[in-house]
Amino acid sequence: AQKVTQAQTEISVVEKEDVTLDCVYETRDTTYYLFWYKQPPSGELVFLIRRNSFDEQNEISGRYSWNFQKSTSSFNFTITASQVVDSAVYFCALSESNTGGFKTIFGAGTRLFVKA
Amino acid sequence: DTAVSQTPKYLVTQMGNDKSIKCEQNLGHDTMYWYKQDSKKFLKIMFSYNNKELIINETVPNRFSPKSPDKAHLNLHINSLELGDSAVYFCASSQKPGVGGETQYFGPGTRLLVL
Repeated sequence: AQKVTQAQTEISVVEKEDVTLDCVYETRDTTYYLFWYKQPPSGELVFLIRRNSFDEQNEISGRYSWNFQKSTSSFNFTITASQVVDSAVYFCALSESNTGGFKTIFGAGTRLFVKA
Repeated sequence: DTAVSQTPKYLVTQMGNDKSIKCEQNLGHDTMYWYKQDSKKFLKIMFSYNNKELIINETVPNRFSPKSPDKAHLNLHINSLELGDSAVYFCASSQKPGVGGETQYFGPGTRLLVL
């Protein structure tokens, strides 16, 4: 069965600190997709990254980086030099194929507070 | 230009009423979804339609009935609203699987408050 665990409920950092948000997943499929979404205080869900199960390369996008390790079933997200605008709830998600579509399970989210 | 839109944005209603939320996507996607986000921010899938056909139906009370008149629209009708239905409802869409279809793009959400 699918499961996504984000063990950190809330994290508080001071601006310019680096912060890593953890995500551990469980799946029986060999083909699956992992995602991170950001939900700022305004409430919308913003897609950040998608990674398929065959691509373990880490990715960097500006101050954001992602570390995917199949050996530990983890897909962690690091924000370097955090800024107040990074304050949001961040969701990790796992998608497996389902008839005609993909079923996505979201983690409980990690609320990040970045203080000035 | 909005990719996935929902109406209304806010909905305040009395217990026992029937209400609908509409969703439209202009991305040309084949698959659409409804999610419920509760007060603790848990996001849970409710339904998924692929090209107007229901493909995912989670354990949702049958007071909730989705309808997809065409693949660009997925509406959610809720009968006999209860206090516990208060939540934010998100619509999402994705392309057909296998064609980069796994990424879901979300609407802005509809905040439903049942009094």
